[in-house]
Amino acid sequence: EVQLVESGGGLVQPGGSLRLSCAASGFTFSSYWMSWVRQAPGKGLEWVANIKQDGSEKYYVDSVKGRFTISRDNAKNSLYLQMNSLRAEDTAVYYCARDRYSSSWPVGMDVWGQGTTVTVSS
Amino acid sequence: DIQMTQSPSSLSASVGDRVTITCQASQDISNYLNWYQQKPGKAPKLLIYDASNLETGVPSRFSGSGSGTDFTFTISSLQPEDIATYYCQQYDNLLSFGGGTKVEIK
Repeated sequence: EVQLVESGGGLVQPGGSLRLSCAASGFTFSSYWMSWVRQAPGKGLEWVANIKQDGSEKYYVDSVKGRFTISRDNAKNSLYLQMNSLRAEDTAVYYCARDRYSSSWPVGMDVWGQGTTVTVSS
Repeated sequence: DIQMTQSPSSLSASVGDRVTITCQASQDISNYLNWYQQKPGKAPKLLIYDASNLETGVPSRFSGSGSGTDFTFTISSLQPEDIATYYCQQYDNLLSFGGGTKVEIK
């Protein structure tokens, strides 16, 4: 079964850091672009970052550039999101998602995790 | 950055009604557009890719059309299980989502 399982969410103070993880199984992880997508409470979906199959290309939404870092470990079938200098507006459910086919460019996501909740508050 | 504008933001329709949602891109994105369904408390689900292709296993009452800057998503006969929020997403330049359309039963 193709599966993504996120972990690492929690409550953190403004200015703090958190590292999210996503464990992939049931498919060849190293063949796919991977993304993080978030959803603030009661709000819509926002793409946060994505990373190419070999980690050589990484892209971010402007609001997290310089604060968040996406990475992957293909040997461990894992995706990560290091979040620093967290702000209240980063409060959201964070989803890990797989691109819908193995491509040289991201084309959207067909497999999603269940999400992990990040709350930034003092 | 490419902005995606969805309308309406919410709608109420009766079971069996035809439901149409539009999505407009701020620039030409060819057919690089997907549609997702999200039910409360759940992860999004891909329904339509490349503007008009139905994802495997998705009921045929869902369809998509359009290219360039204007796109349409249609539910031909609304069912109770279709209650959800629907999002368009472009992948011509990075990724970005529309604001969503919440579909309710009248």
